[in-house]
This record gives sequence, C-alpha cells and structure tokens, in this order.
Amino acid sequence: EVQLVQSGAEVKKPGESLKISCKGSGYSFTRYWIAWVRQMPGKGLEWMGVIYPDDSDTRFSPSFQGQVTMSADTSISTAYLQWSSLKASDTAMYYCAREVTLFGADVFENWGQGTMVTVSS
Amino acid sequence: EIVLTQSPGTLSLSPGETAALSCRASQSVSNTYLAWYQQKPGQAPRLLIYGASSRATGIPDRFSGSGSGTDFTLTISRLEPEDFAVYYCQQYGSSQGTFGPGTKLEIK
Repeated sequence: EVQLVQSGAEVKKPGESLKISCKGSGYSFTRYWIAWVRQMPGKGLEWMGVIYPDDSDTRFSPSFQGQVTMSADTSISTAYLQWSSLKASDTAMYYCAREVTLFGADVFENWGQGTMVTVSS
Repeated sequence: EIVLTQSPGTLSLSPGETAALSCRASQSVSNTYLAWYQQKPGQAPRLLIYGASSRATGIPDRFSGSGSGTDFTLTISRLEPEDFAVYYCQQYGSSQGTFGPGTKLEIK
C-alpha cells in the first residue's frame, strides 16, 4: 500500500526557519515526482512545485519560486519542504502528494495527511 | 500561467439530485492534463477524474467528467450524502500546475 506520512504540526515565530517532511512507503520512492500543495486557512489548494527524488530536479510555481526549498533524501524515502525565514502569511496546511502518470495524465494519486504550519509572534 | 475559474462558488442541492460543476481555463488545456479532486473537511484531497473524463480507481460511476479546450464539467448524478464536499479542478501542463478556486457542494 502506498503511503505518504508527513511530519507533525509546527508553531513558529516570524523569521524562524522550518523544514517539514513527507515519508513515502509502498512504492519506489525515487521514481515518482513528489508535489507540495499549500492550503491557507479556509482557502483553496495551491500548487507549489514538484521534486523528482532520484536527481532532485525541481519545478516551482512562479508564486513560490525563491520562497521555499524542496529537497529529498532517497536513503530514507523522504521529501522535504523548507523555509529559511517564515512569515505570518506562511500559516497554512501543507500537503505532499505523489504524482503518477495515468494514460499520459500527470495527477496526484496519493496524498499525505498534511502538516499544519502556524507562524505567529 | 493558466488560470482556472470554477462556478458556481457554492451549489446547494438535495440528495438524489444531479450536480454540474464547471471549470473554465484562461487558455486551452489539453484534455490529458485536466483533473478533478474532492476534498472533505479535515481531509486531504482525493483524485476523482483524470484526463478530463477517466475515473480514478474506486470512484463510483455517479461521477463523470467531460469537456475540452477551455470548458470542462464534473457531473455527479444521484447525489449521496457523502458527496457533499469541495471540488477542485486542476490543470498540469508545461511542468506547471494550477488548481481552480473550488466549488463547495452543500446540502440544501
């Protein structure tokens, strides 16, 4: 069974750094893109970007380029999303998802449970 | 960047009725790259439809997708209580993805 398990909720202050994780199991971790999706409180889904764990190739939405860093450690089948200096506006639920190709369509078939990040002074 | 618009923002229907949710793109989207997701409160999204009209594994045939170019529709027939949720369309082309703002399907 494919599973993505994300790290727990975080409460941080503005200016602090943070790295959240997404651990994949039940499939070949290196062979599937992992996406990160933001959902601000009461709002919709936002596609942040994707990372290919095998070679760490990344693609970002223009809205998130330069704002976050994506990385992966294939030895422990884990993807990461990282901030160097958090802002209050980073408060949101963050989901990771496994991208699969179904008959030529790249879609998010499996999702993590989400990591709630709260940034407040 | 392709912008997706969904309508209506909220749809109020009763169980047993049929829901038609619209997704319009700011420029043409290949059918291959149009998907629909369902999200219930406190849960992660779930893939419903990919390639504009193909149901994902385990999705009942009450859910159907159609459309092409810039106009796509998710139709849910014979609404069940568990279908009341928020639905998002998503396009993924040129290594960039965007979601629509969502349609909330609520019980009337």
